[in-house]
Amino acid sequence: KNEVEQSPQNLTAQEGEFITINCSYSVGISALHWLQQHPGGGIVSLFMLSSGKKKHGRLIATINIQEKHSSLHITASHPRDSAVYICVQVLGNEKLTFGTGTRLTIIP
Amino acid sequence: DVKVTQSSRYLVKRTGEKVFLECVQDMDHENMFWYRQDPGLGLRLIYFSYDVKMKEKGDIPEGYSVSREKKERFSLILESASTNQTSMYLCASSLGGPSNEKLFFGSGTQLSVL
Repeated sequence: KNEVEQSPQNLTAQEGEFITINCSYSVGISALHWLQQHPGGGIVSLFMLSSGKKKHGRLIATINIQEKHSSLHITASHPRDSAVYICVQVLGNEKLTFGTGTRLTIIP
Repeated sequence: DVKVTQSSRYLVKRTGEKVFLECVQDMDHENMFWYRQDPGLGLRLIYFSYDVKMKEKGDIPEGYSVSREKKERFSLILESASTNQTSMYLCASSLGGPSNEKLFFGSGTQLSVL
């Protein structure tokens, strides 16, 4: 059982919709990363956060340490946002555990 | 921007061959990592290195070895390729530990072992 659970596994939405992807983890962490993987395999780091909220353009990441939960939001979604989004927990010993990803498809 | 370059995008090898996967980063990063990614599983760490000539086993090192002779280059070696090593291999680097620094990934090598 993966220690990092993402939901939903797959998400299809219309262009312009507000998107939320969730990540739950089971132990205390020192940080959490959100990654984006486009078809073809390349991975881009979106956010690294240990508390609160970060925003970059249309993307917002939040984390609630007490509830062991993080969310990635996309506002005004666009077909180019179609990708797999991966949540990664970082433990105190720098060990990483990757979620299995959420496949997002935005339909024009 | 940091660039992490993997030498091959697609590779097809035969069982028993020795396979070299090369990874080069251009930002003087201390830390480099090799992962494999399989459907339904998260990325799994094979080996990592925090310095030149230094290597540490990750979660699934069996059947693999690594080499880091220069800071910018981290090579993954499959000593005798087997079909269960067919996978997407991803290299990553970071300036410091992942609790403080972003990870930068290469574009991946899809390896097929026949």
